[in-house]
Amino acid sequence: GAVVSQHPSRVICKSGTSVKIECRSLDFQATTMFWYRQFPKQSLMLMATSNEGSKATYEQGVEKDKFLINHASLTLSTLTVTSAHPEDSSFYICSARGQWSLGYTFGSGTRLTVV
Amino acid sequence: AQSVTQPDIHITVSEGASLELRCNYSYGATPYLFWYVQSPGQGLQLLLKYFSGDTLVQGIKGFEAEFKRSQSSFNLRKPSVHWSDAAEYFCAVGAASPGSTLTFGKGTMLLVSP
Repeated sequence: GAVVSQHPSRVICKSGTSVKIECRSLDFQATTMFWYRQFPKQSLMLMATSNEGSKATYEQGVEKDKFLINHASLTLSTLTVTSAHPEDSSFYICSARGQWSLGYTFGSGTRLTVV
Repeated sequence: AQSVTQPDIHITVSEGASLELRCNYSYGATPYLFWYVQSPGQGLQLLLKYFSGDTLVQGIKGFEAEFKRSQSSFNLRKPSVHWSDAAEYFCAVGAASPGSTLTFGKGTMLLVSP
């Protein structure tokens, strides 16, 4: 079945630094990738949708200059949290969908802690 | 706009007992429905999905769900719960177009008592 690899699984960074999270589709071409954020004991909140080779579409309230999304290839999308602050600490999950697929495959998530 | 309602925030079930988790959706077109399970600190695992055809769908780990269009529901069931089923369960609705997003419910936390 479709597999999405997301890493790192956990990262701790200092306030003011940037962190990059990678999401790779291992056995299919992900024409669309989605990035979610999940706060403790809450549901997933969509941050942005990206299509390969295009600029990401951000949800209302998500700062595009802070959460940089790159989807340069059909198997890789990255989320970079720039100038991270403690309030950016959260669980980030990616999801990928192929052009002819009706399903969504999720990565295993990244726990970001900003100290 | 599409939406998903999971009315139960927490449910406690005795091990071996049956389980039903409720999910109601609002969607203007033909919905594609999903149930995912999430263990603490983990990503989402797909339990089952409904796109079309037979309204009773079988999933992994002994779960099943029934799509009832008249009730806009897609409830998840399991005849006998195991302690390892304790987790957060999310219902979601999506669409066919590749760029369409998934809309999640708020989730139901399943607790399994001995």
